Amino acid sequence: DQQVKQNSPSLSVQEGRISILNCDYTNSMFDYFLWYKKYPAEGPTFLISISSIKDKNEDGRFTVFLNKSAKHLSLHIVPSQPGDSAVYFCAAPRGGNQFYFGTGTSLTVIP
Amino acid sequence: ETGVTQSPTHLIKTRGQQVTLRCSSQSGHNTVSWYQQALGQGPQFIFQYYREEENGRGNFPPRFSGLQFPNYSSELNVNALELDDSALYLCASSQGTSFTGELFFGEGSRLTVL
Repeated sequence: DQQVKQNSPSLSVQEGRISILNCDYTNSMFDYFLWYKKYPAEGPTFLISISSIKDKNEDGRFTVFLNKSAKHLSLHIVPSQPGDSAVYFCAAPRGGNQFYFGTGTSLTVIP
Repeated sequence: ETGVTQSPTHLIKTRGQQVTLRCSSQSGHNTVSWYQQALGQGPQFIFQYYREEENGRGNFPPRFSGLQFPNYSSELNVNALELDDSALYLCASSQGTSFTGELFFGEGSRLTVL
């Protein structure tokens, strides 16, 4: 049973435009969420997180929005750069720092 | 400061065999988590080791087992390999088991079971 779902396997965006990656979850008790980025042949790296008491968290070009009523979060990247091309995973805690990960969205930023 | 290192990077086994994957945690980290990432899927939590004790386990059968050593390095052992065990196995280290906002992942060990 998928606790965290990413329904878009891939996304292509022009350089300089906004990238929006979406994630849905099932458990309303999750109290924080994370986004990880993964390049080929590398392990995932932490990108940004959000607590369930917030509806927005911003870090430079990256902003995560949380809509608790819809059990939905999204990652916005503005402006998108070619180096942002990677697979993005959203994650929610199963306890402590043990996580459920979504299936990932492969972002391609076209120069 | 060294990062998380995993070995081997690639290996091929046949059904029924056993495999051991190894992970050296990042300097200063006492917790190691193992994840399985099948093709087209996200990482799935296998188990976590904290100070040489298992601290949480995902929905994996007992033929998946692990160890953590006094230097906090870790092994993942899989017995009686099945075709569906083919995946990228990721190790992540952290300091402690509470949420810190970041796990540090290795590059993974890609296992192919024929």
